[in-house]
Amino acid sequence: EAGVTQSPTHLIKTRGQQATLRCSPISGHTSVYWYQQALGLGLQFLLWYDEGEERNRGNFPPRFSGRQFPNYSSELNVNALELEDSALYLCASSLELREIQETQYFGPGTRLLVL
Amino acid sequence: AQKITQTQPGMFVQEKEAVTLDCTYDTSDPSYGLFWYKQPSSGEMIFLIYQGSYDQQNATEGRYSLNFQKARKSANLVISASQLGDSAMYFCAMREDTGFQKLVFGTGTRLLVSP
Repeated sequence: EAGVTQSPTHLIKTRGQQATLRCSPISGHTSVYWYQQALGLGLQFLLWYDEGEERNRGNFPPRFSGRQFPNYSSELNVNALELEDSALYLCASSLELREIQETQYFGPGTRLLVL
Repeated sequence: AQKITQTQPGMFVQEKEAVTLDCTYDTSDPSYGLFWYKQPSSGEMIFLIYQGSYDQQNATEGRYSLNFQKARKSANLVISASQLGDSAMYFCAMREDTGFQKLVFGTGTRLLVSP
């Protein structure tokens, strides 16, 4: 069974541009989560999508946004890129059971570099 | 607010020996889940083991076991019979029942297994 996939693997942008990152969840999973892993800041929760709707977001400015498509894949958009947006962006998926033990399975990540 | 603390930035162990990676947590929610993930240099987060706050027994998954001490709020990962492929970053994470599905991660411990 295929795991979570993300594209692209690497992305280089300049300040002020927009970046679009994509994620396909494990088949049967309906919840998608986005996390940012920046140097020195650890893993920070960004967004949670479930059944096509944004259910929760972390402490990030509105220029971080996204959506979830009917096939449960997801897109993360980062507008007006800043140097500090350089990070590894990890996508995870899970079943929608909303139980404590429901495991989030991660993809390989997209490394975004802002110059 | 939920918080995870990993006090060991780096650990060294020889092949075939056991190693314990420390994790303490703070939460006021009586219902929570604790997770350990492994992150090799490739970046992907690999799920290792889960422990629920109401679980009576410590979780085990192959060579991984979780030493759960609820009163001390600790959830240490024990890796038995270390292998060279165990060299990676290890993250402890927690999800509260009321935490809107997000995982809160510790800062991680880098494990290096030597021959």
